[in-house]
Amino acid sequence: KQEVTQIPAALSVPEGENLVLNCSFTDSAIYNLQWFRQDPGKGLTSLLLIQSSQREQTSGRLNASLDKSSGRSTLYIAASQPGDSATYLCAVTSGRSQGNLIFGKGTKLSVKP
Amino acid sequence: DVKVTQSSRYLVKRTGEKVFLECVQDMDHENMFWYRQDPGLGLRLIYFSYDVKMKEKGDIPEGYSVSREKKERFSLILESASTNQTSMYLCASSSPYNSPLHFGNGTRLTVT
Repeated sequence: KQEVTQIPAALSVPEGENLVLNCSFTDSAIYNLQWFRQDPGKGLTSLLLIQSSQREQTSGRLNASLDKSSGRSTLYIAASQPGDSATYLCAVTSGRSQGNLIFGKGTKLSVKP
Repeated sequence: DVKVTQSSRYLVKRTGEKVFLECVQDMDHENMFWYRQDPGLGLRLIYFSYDVKMKEKGDIPEGYSVSREKKERFSLILESASTNQTSMYLCASSSPYNSPLHFGNGTRLTVT
């Protein structure tokens, strides 16, 4: 059964730092991997989706990489800002049906001014 | 911009009541989902629908049912609410295959 792990559970950094969030999954037979952001008390916002045939995706200051063979993905955030403070979740789709989307429990990021 | 709207942000119900949570999306998405999110347990899929009148059970369907009579609307029904159904409920939608999920803002349900 697919399991998704995000370490650390919480991270605090000073403003301006570049940082990396980690996501690992146990079964490399994934269809895609998504990164989401969740603000307190709100729903999830999709940040990036990487298809299984891709190695990375970029959006603004965010860059997500995927290494299927090792079961790892990273989310790189450049020049962090206090507004980046949120919980970041990754999720993998095992099989073509998105009903098979498995979420990690997230990394809570705090960027201090 | 995709919009997924959940009818209530906060809801307080009594044990044994029948509860309806409504979700509407405006992007003609085929797929719609209901998740619940609990501290320490993360997001868990309750039900998934890939077309009108079609549904699949997720990881924790017990105590819940769903209805999808129109493409844009997906309803979650708690037949007889219990205190262990106190949670944050999140609705999402997407196009099929390799498309990101779009979430609503959630409904925080408290059952007393």
